[in-house]
Amino acid sequence: AQSVTQLDSQVPVFEEAPVELRCNYSSSVSVYLFWYVQYPNQGLQLLLKYLSGSTLVKGINGFEAEFNKSQTSFHLRKPSVHISDTAEYFCAVSRNFNKFYFGSGTKLNVKP
Amino acid sequence: DAGVIQSPRHEVTEMGQEVTLRCKPISGHNSLFWYRQTMMRGLELLIYFNNNVPIDDSGMPEDRFSAKMPNASFSTLKIQPSEPRDSAVYFCASSNRRGNNSPLHFGNGTRLTVT
Repeated sequence: AQSVTQLDSQVPVFEEAPVELRCNYSSSVSVYLFWYVQYPNQGLQLLLKYLSGSTLVKGINGFEAEFNKSQTSFHLRKPSVHISDTAEYFCAVSRNFNKFYFGSGTKLNVKP
Repeated sequence: DAGVIQSPRHEVTEMGQEVTLRCKPISGHNSLFWYRQTMMRGLELLIYFNNNVPIDDSGMPEDRFSAKMPNASFSTLKIQPSEPRDSAVYFCASSNRRGNNSPLHFGNGTRLTVT
C-alpha cells in the first residue's frame, strides 16, 4: 500500500516570498505523484503531476515540484507567492490510477 | 466542459433521515470516485467505479452507506439512516482511464450536516 505524509499542517509566508511545501511518500512500487489545491468551499484542482521523465515538473500558477526517488519526496515550490495562493494543498500518489492516496494537507497562508 | 457536478451543495438533515447525494461526472470519463473530507480524517476514499461497476467499496464506513452508478453520467451516494458523525464534505471525482493516464477531476462537494 502507499501512504503520503505532509509534515507541515500550516505554512505562513509573506507575499512575494518563496515557499516550499513538503511531501514524502512510501511505496514498494513505482507511483505517480500529484499536487492538488483546494480553495475554500471548492473541490480539489490539479496543480501538477509527475508520471515519468524529467524530475522537475512545472504546473499552473507558477508552481513546480521535484521528484526525488532516493528521498521518496515530491516537494512543491513557488519562488514568489501571491495572496491568491492562500489555500490548502494536497499531495497524492497513485500506483495505477485506480486508488489515489492523499496526504493530510498543508494550509498555505500568504500574508500581505 | 462543465466539470463534475454535485448536488446539493449543502444538505442539513436530522439524525435518522435518509440522505442522497448526487454526482454527474465529466462526459467521457469512465471512472468515478466518492470521497469524504473531515477535519479529523482528511480525505477518505469511500468507493470507486470503473465503467459503472463498483470496484472497491472497502472505504464505505458502514452498511448505512450505499452507492450506485446506474449509467455513465450519474451516481448517487445514500446514507440511511444518517447520524451526526456523518457530517462532512462529500466529494465526487471522475477520471478517464482509457488510453492516457488521467488524474482526478473533483466536483465542488456537498457539505452534509446531520443534527
